[in-house]
Amino acid sequence: DIVLTQSPDSLAVSLGERATINCKSSQSVLYSSNNKNYIAWYQQKPGQPPKVLIHWASAREFGVPDRFSGSGSGTDFNLTISSLQAEDVAVYYCQQYSNNMVSFGQGTRLEIK
Amino acid sequence: QITLKESGPTLVKPTQTLTLTCTFSGFSLTTPGVSVGWIRQPPGKALEWLAFLYWDDDQLHSPSLRTRVTITKDTSKKQVVLTMTNMDPVDTATYYCAHMSTGTGEFDYWGQGTLVTVSS
Repeated sequence: DIVLTQSPDSLAVSLGERATINCKSSQSVLYSSNNKNYIAWYQQKPGQPPKVLIHWASAREFGVPDRFSGSGSGTDFNLTISSLQAEDVAVYYCQQYSNNMVSFGQGTRLEIK
Repeated sequence: QITLKESGPTLVKPTQTLTLTCTFSGFSLTTPGVSVGWIRQPPGKALEWLAFLYWDDDQLHSPSLRTRVTITKDTSKKQVVLTMTNMDPVDTATYYCAHMSTGTGEFDYWGQGTLVTVSS
């Protein structure tokens, strides 16, 4: 099984500042056939289902603000919010799809400092 | 417009079997590359993938739940059904169904979820 480990578990950032969340995979999630990393990032607010922000590690979903960006390859990935807004307070999850299996990270809680 | 909605019991007793239905619209589960997955989330805890059903009827399960979970579909009704046997209080969670495009590997549309409590 592929295990995703996020760090930190929680993060407090001032409004307008940068927030970075890391996701490390126990195995590579890079598909050599198309050179895509099958990592997605989700935002979940209380009482709501998760909302996908990023797929293929760095492809932003339509309608997601451009302050959200994803990076990384192989086993090490980051989600960055370039300028934190109040509405970004949420729990963030990474998720992988590899070898026909799915797993999620344990989540990172993002708060305002 | 793609939508999904979960339905089923809100309370089950330990050792009982849980059956949840996901009713969807806006896509066909016979379209290559499409799958419907089930994910759960215990209160205050992380997301956990349970299983998904591919357009070609192939299904995959989380290794930790493989012996307890079955997933089936009714194409005419546009429904996917999750069955989980031998329920335990630790299975108390919000259960979500979600649409996945296997080309991108993301769950891009989610139902609102249904809270299932396991208690005697």
